[in-house]
Amino acid sequence: AQKVTQAQTEISVVEKEDVTLDCVYETRDTTYYLFWYKQPPSGELVFLIRRNSFDEQNEISGRYSWNFQKSTSSFNFTITASQVVDSAVYFCALSERSDAAGNKLTFGGGTRVLVKP
Amino acid sequence: EPEVTQTPSHQVTQMGQEVILRCVPISNHLYFYWYRQILGQKVEFLVSFYNNEISEKSEIFDDQFSVERPDGSNFTLKIRSTKLEDSAMYFCASKEDVLTHYEQYFGPGTRLTVT
Repeated sequence: AQKVTQAQTEISVVEKEDVTLDCVYETRDTTYYLFWYKQPPSGELVFLIRRNSFDEQNEISGRYSWNFQKSTSSFNFTITASQVVDSAVYFCALSERSDAAGNKLTFGGGTRVLVKP
Repeated sequence: EPEVTQTPSHQVTQMGQEVILRCVPISNHLYFYWYRQILGQKVEFLVSFYNNEISEKSEIFDDQFSVERPDGSNFTLKIRSTKLEDSAMYFCASKEDVLTHYEQYFGPGTRLTVT
């Protein structure tokens, strides 16, 4: 069964500091997909990034970057030079390839990020 | 930019009443989902729907729940007899492709309060 763990429940930083969010996952599949979603105070879920298990290249997109390490089953997410608008709950999620019927997302418990001015 | 919409944004109902939550997925998307999030907790999968039938459902999705795509645009979640523990935010999501694991796009949610 798939499982996603976000050990950090809350992180508080001052604006312009970098924030790294940890995500550890469990899956029996050799092919799977990892996602980060953002939930601002308004409540909606906003897709941020997707990563395939067969591509371990780490990337940067604007102020976002991610570190995918298959060996440790981790998919960490970093916000560089944080801004107040980054304050939100961030969810890591997993989808298994074998789950072809539904492609459901399994979410972690979320990490609340508070960026103070 | 196309988006998933949900109505109502907030629904208050009494225990034992039936509620229908409505969603309009992105028009060219083929897979549809319902998730729920109890206040302060993680987002949980309820059901996925493809080709006019349920493709997968979770343990939460018991006989009190049903989904339907009554026309070409709406996707509904019905709770037949609501319980206090059904109080949560319900998110609809849709995905473009059948065979790939592209991202799911979520609606803004319907907050259901059962009193």
